[in-house]
Amino acid sequence: EDKVVQSPLSLVVHEGDTVTLNCSYEVTNFRSLLWYKQEKKAPTFLFMLTSSGIEKKSGRLSSILDKKELFSILNITATQTGDSAVYLCAVPYSGAGSYQLTFGKGTKLSVIP
Amino acid sequence: SQTIHQWPATLVQPVGSPLSLECTVEGTSNPNLYWYRQAAGRGLQLLFYSVGIGQISSEVPQNLSASRPQDRQFILSSKKLLLSDSGFYLCAWSRGLAGGTDTQYFGPGTRLTVL
Repeated sequence: EDKVVQSPLSLVVHEGDTVTLNCSYEVTNFRSLLWYKQEKKAPTFLFMLTSSGIEKKSGRLSSILDKKELFSILNITATQTGDSAVYLCAVPYSGAGSYQLTFGKGTKLSVIP
Repeated sequence: SQTIHQWPATLVQPVGSPLSLECTVEGTSNPNLYWYRQAAGRGLQLLFYSVGIGQISSEVPQNLSASRPQDRQFILSSKKLLLSDSGFYLCAWSRGLAGGTDTQYFGPGTRLTVL
């Protein structure tokens, strides 16, 4: 059974701090890993990672994948209160029906002024 | 560009009443469509997905059903709601790319409370 585990489950930081969120996975046939940000409503897509060691970057957010150690990290530098959200990690299901995603439970990030 | 709509945004229903949630996608054709439920304190649970009109795959046996009457329309239904059906229902779409590199994009969600 595919498994995605995120840590920590919650995190409280001050504005300006740098945070690192972790996502480890166990899948039979790894093809990609996705990160989403969920504020009050819909998850919004951040990154898709397919290759090990190649950093994806968007502004203050960046993410990297380690296929050997089976994990990914999401870094946020100079955090702002608008970064407060639940960050979700997901991998495509490796069984029959390759369009499904297995999600982790998320990391709830709270950024306080 | 593509947009995804869901309605209603919030819904309060009594136990035993029927349910119909609607999702539509604009700006793309023949998308894959998905229904998820997110219960309080729990992760996203895939309920149904569809790769084409009239094609529905169910992931979790329950009292919910889904239909896809048109290419870009996905409906979640129930004949009789249970208390346990309360949650945040999200619709998503994807292009249906093969090889495990298909990105899902989510709608704004419907918050359902069953009393």
